[in-house]
Amino acid sequence: SAVISQKPSRDICQRGTSLTIQCQVDSQVTMMFWYRQQPGQSLTLIATANQGSEATYESGFVIDKFPISRPNLTFSTLTVSNMSPEDSSIYLCSVAGDSEETQYFGPGTRLLVL
Amino acid sequence: GENVEQHPSTLSVQEGDSAVIKCTYSDSASNYFPWYKQELGKRPQLIIDIRSNVGEKKDQRIAVTLNKTAKHFSLHITETQPEDSAVYFCAASRNTPLVFGKGTRLSVIA
Repeated sequence: SAVISQKPSRDICQRGTSLTIQCQVDSQVTMMFWYRQQPGQSLTLIATANQGSEATYESGFVIDKFPISRPNLTFSTLTVSNMSPEDSSIYLCSVAGDSEETQYFGPGTRLLVL
Repeated sequence: GENVEQHPSTLSVQEGDSAVIKCTYSDSASNYFPWYKQELGKRPQLIIDIRSNVGEKKDQRIAVTLNKTAKHFSLHITETQPEDSAVYFCAASRNTPLVFGKGTRLSVIA
């Protein structure tokens, strides 16, 4: 499976600021996804990052709050904008494997908003 | 859209006993059912998956069964060990992306 890295691994931010999370893969992948995992909860899909086009957002998530970039087949960023304490969570990127239905996760970014 | 229910939310077993976690899904067109294990502070790791053309799949101490008619699938762990303690998530999909259950916290007591 692909090797997936994320930066930063964790951060503490002040409310009202923005944080950009990077996801890097060691091979070209067609599909990349961004998930949020709130403490003690399951994984909730934020959006599918499409290379060369706008991201596809799930219900309850909007581009103004979570802008996503996908400049090439190995890299994506998720920005958490105008943060509030409710945005404190783990943010994970995932990539589709050789069979596109299989997904592998990055190590996650642990965000605390004060 | 797809909805995945997972039970139980917590499960404690004695070391060496078996553990079973069950999931149901709502979309009869879903055709891919993976299971992930997430240890504390770590990323979810894919441990086994099954596709809708197969009824059962085994990998050493873990197995997954699928009942398409009833729209449910289960994870079976035999001869549990303390290192099996983690949160387990089931998921379902038709194409992508995955829809996850709420998770089961498994504790294996030595």
